[in-house]
Amino acid sequence: GEDVEQSLFLSVREGDSSVINCTYTDSSSTYLYWYKQEPGAGLQLLTYIFSNMDMKQDQRLTVLLNKKDKHLSLRIADTQTGDSAIYFCAETPPGTYKYIFGTGTRLKVLA
Amino acid sequence: NAGVTQTPKFQVLKTGQSMTLQCAQDMNHEYMSWYRQDPGMGLRLIHYSVGAGITDQGEVPNGYNVSRSTTEDFPLRLLSAAPSQTSVYFCASSTKGPTDTQYFGPGTRLTVL
Repeated sequence: GEDVEQSLFLSVREGDSSVINCTYTDSSSTYLYWYKQEPGAGLQLLTYIFSNMDMKQDQRLTVLLNKKDKHLSLRIADTQTGDSAIYFCAETPPGTYKYIFGTGTRLKVLA
Repeated sequence: NAGVTQTPKFQVLKTGQSMTLQCAQDMNHEYMSWYRQDPGMGLRLIHYSVGAGITDQGEVPNGYNVSRSTTEDFPLRLLSAAPSQTSVYFCASSTKGPTDTQYFGPGTRLTVL
């Protein structure tokens, strides 16, 4: 089966870095994504990485991909209270239009 | 553009009742999908469509029907609601490319008593 796993909760202090981890199981997935869901809202795409890349940086966000271990991480630098949300990783197995989402990590930023 | 709209925002049903959750997008997106979100389980794909007249099942299709008669609309039908269908339902749309953003609607919170 296709399962994407994440830890459920993460708590950090404002100004610290946050690292959210994800383990996916379909090694042939071409694209991997990070989505953010704020309370009462739908999901918003934060960033994505192509499977032939190891790292992608976008302002405060850094995505690391370890394809051998099927491990994806999202680092948020200088975490702010506005970053408090649920973060989902997702993958699209090749040849499909299906997005497989992880269970989500609830990030709480303490002032 | 209104983006992806969903109606209703909240709904309470009794077991055995039927209803349709509406989803519409005005971005001329070919790909549309329905997910349900349950605590600790992330989003699970119910049904999806890659264009008008074409639909396919996702991970958890049982108890739900869909149709795609137009590019804009992708309704989700519950024929006989069950308490296990209590969830938050999200509709999403995108163009077909894998790097194209999936736009999500605001969600419908459904409770089945």
